[in-house]
Amino acid sequence: SQKIEQNSEALNIQEGKTATLTCNYTNYSPAYLQWYRQDPGRGPVFLLLIRENEKEKRKERLKVTFDTTLKQSLFHITASQPADSATYLCALGTGGFKTIFGAGTRLFVKA
Amino acid sequence: DTEVTQTPKHLVMGMTNKKSLKCEQHMGHRAMYWYKQKAKKPPELMFVYSYEKLSINESVPSRFSPECPNSSLLNLHLHALQPEDSALYLCASSPALDNSPLHFGNGTRLTVT
Repeated sequence: SQKIEQNSEALNIQEGKTATLTCNYTNYSPAYLQWYRQDPGRGPVFLLLIRENEKEKRKERLKVTFDTTLKQSLFHITASQPADSATYLCALGTGGFKTIFGAGTRLFVKA
Repeated sequence: DTEVTQTPKHLVMGMTNKKSLKCEQHMGHRAMYWYKQKAKKPPELMFVYSYEKLSINESVPSRFSPECPNSSLLNLHLHALQPEDSALYLCASSPALDNSPLHFGNGTRLTVT
């Protein structure tokens, strides 16, 4: 069956360090993969999109990689700050407006 | 604040009530979505409208009835809900193109008593 897994339910890191979140998927052939941030009681906010023919994408302190052979995406936040504390969701697009979300990783950045 | 506006923010309804959730966007997006999210779970796709026509229904029970009256508005009509339908209902929009990111509203927190 199709599955999206994010490496851990929660991740605690110290301010200034790099946070690395993992998204693995099985039985999908996604055309693209997206990462979203969700704060409690709010809707998800889009961060980055990477296509199947791209290896890496960057935006300010964020970096996403996409390995279609390993069926894995890594999401990095460098120089993390307490304001980065949130739940981060990966999402797969299989075409036709269908975007499916992983369960998310809750990131806590300690000052 | 998001560019997708959902009303009401909170809704409490009994199992025999009929209510509607509303969603509005003015970004010119021609695809609109309903997702349901339970606590500590991912958003689950319910419906997708493209150019005001229903294009995806993820086998949602008929007690949920979507409506897209025009390109800016999306409604979700609720009738005879169950307590397990209590959740955060999220509306999203995107350009009607593959690979487009979703723009979410902040949701309606629904409690069914």
